[in-house]
Amino acid sequence: DTEVTQTPKHLVMGMTNKKSLKCEQHMGHRAMYWYKQKAKKPPELMFVYSYEKLSINESVPSRFSPECPNSSLLNLHLHALQPEDSALYLCASSQTTGGAGQPQHFGDGTRLSIL
Amino acid sequence: AQSVAQPEDQVNVAEGNPLTVKCTYSVSGNPYLFWYVQYPNRGLQFLLKYITGDNLVKGSYGFEAEFNKSQTSFHLKKPSALVSDSALYFCAVRDNPTGGFKTIFGAGTRLFVKA
Repeated sequence: DTEVTQTPKHLVMGMTNKKSLKCEQHMGHRAMYWYKQKAKKPPELMFVYSYEKLSINESVPSRFSPECPNSSLLNLHLHALQPEDSALYLCASSQTTGGAGQPQHFGDGTRLSIL
Repeated sequence: AQSVAQPEDQVNVAEGNPLTVKCTYSVSGNPYLFWYVQYPNRGLQFLLKYITGDNLVKGSYGFEAEFNKSQTSFHLKKPSALVSDSALYFCAVRDNPTGGFKTIFGAGTRLFVKA
């Protein structure tokens, strides 16, 4: 069992829909991340939150909107997505963003399909 | 900028034989190196890391990695492969050795262990 929980596991949505991905961790970690992963490729960083504040936005299109309501939760709001946005979306956490030796803990992801 | 390279897309090994998954790195300053494994339909799992100290690092599931500064390599090894080791393996380096936000992943190596 992973310590980072992501819901839903699968999501199919149309290009005009609005949906949200959710991520939760109870390890007391203060850094949380969103990644996008295409099949057989490495994860691509999208956003980093440090102490509930957005630290990095990797030039992600505005149709993706992150939110960190508290230190345990991370959401990714989706609106007007394109077919090329179909991918596995991974959430991860680490103790903090500082400390280069800290590994990241990943959830099992949400597999998103855009019709 | 930090980077890692995994020269092999795929590694095939027979069960019971030793396995090696290769990784080379390019960093400025001290390297902070990681190995992660991804099983089908799962997120990434942390295996081991090198920060400083002994060049042979031991990790989860019987895996170890050898840090070689002169060859700028960090190869993942296991003395006796199991069919259940079949998965996608990512070498990674922490960007900004003073404590940065990003993890830079290699392209990944798919390991097939045949019974």
